[in-house]
Amino acid sequence: AQSVTQLGSHVSVSEGALVLLRCNYSSSVPPYLFWYVQYPNQGLQLLLKYTTGATLVKGINGFEAEFKKSETSFHLTKPSAHMSDAAEYFCAVRAGYALNFGKGTSLLVTP
Amino acid sequence: EAGVAQSPRYKIIEKRQSVAFWCNPISGHATLYWYQQILGQGPKLLIQFQNNGVVDDSQLPKDRFSAERLKGVDSTLKIQPAKLEDSAVYLCASSLDTSGIAGREQFFGPGTRLTVL
Repeated sequence: AQSVTQLGSHVSVSEGALVLLRCNYSSSVPPYLFWYVQYPNQGLQLLLKYTTGATLVKGINGFEAEFKKSETSFHLTKPSAHMSDAAEYFCAVRAGYALNFGKGTSLLVTP
Repeated sequence: EAGVAQSPRYKIIEKRQSVAFWCNPISGHATLYWYQQILGQGPKLLIQFQNNGVVDDSQLPKDRFSAERLKGVDSTLKIQPAKLEDSAVYLCASSLDTSGIAGREQFFGPGTRLTVL
């Protein structure tokens, strides 16, 4: 079965600091991996995805993630945090016809 | 392009009552998903439609939950009777994906927050 584990349910960074949100996956087939963001009272929005090809994936709002097969990881990073980045972030893996989501990481950005 | 529409946005009911949620996907999207998101957890797939056929409903509690997608467009999700543990946000998503391999982006609606008292 395909699953993801997000390390850290809450992450706090200062504005301008590096953002690092961790995701490890388990998959019996070549994984398709996704990062979604959810702002309060809104649905999820795709940040980026990895299917095949280049292992460093760039997404919207300055986020990127690197697929590392040897570490079964797909960590999300952003060089400099903005106040507007405060939200819930979900890692997900393709599981058959749909996606299996992690439990989410809440990102807090302090001034 | 209009996004995925859902209604109502909020619903409060007593346990054992019934409730229905409505979803209008993005025009032309063949695949429609219903997810349940319990507080503090990630979304969990309940049912997936491709056009008006069910692709996967293995995690749908069929003794109380039902869903339909008439004419391959709008969809309704019903709970009857509701239990306290059904309190959650119900998210609808749609995708152009017709391959069934979930490789394409899913677009999510704002969700319906259900509270069962």
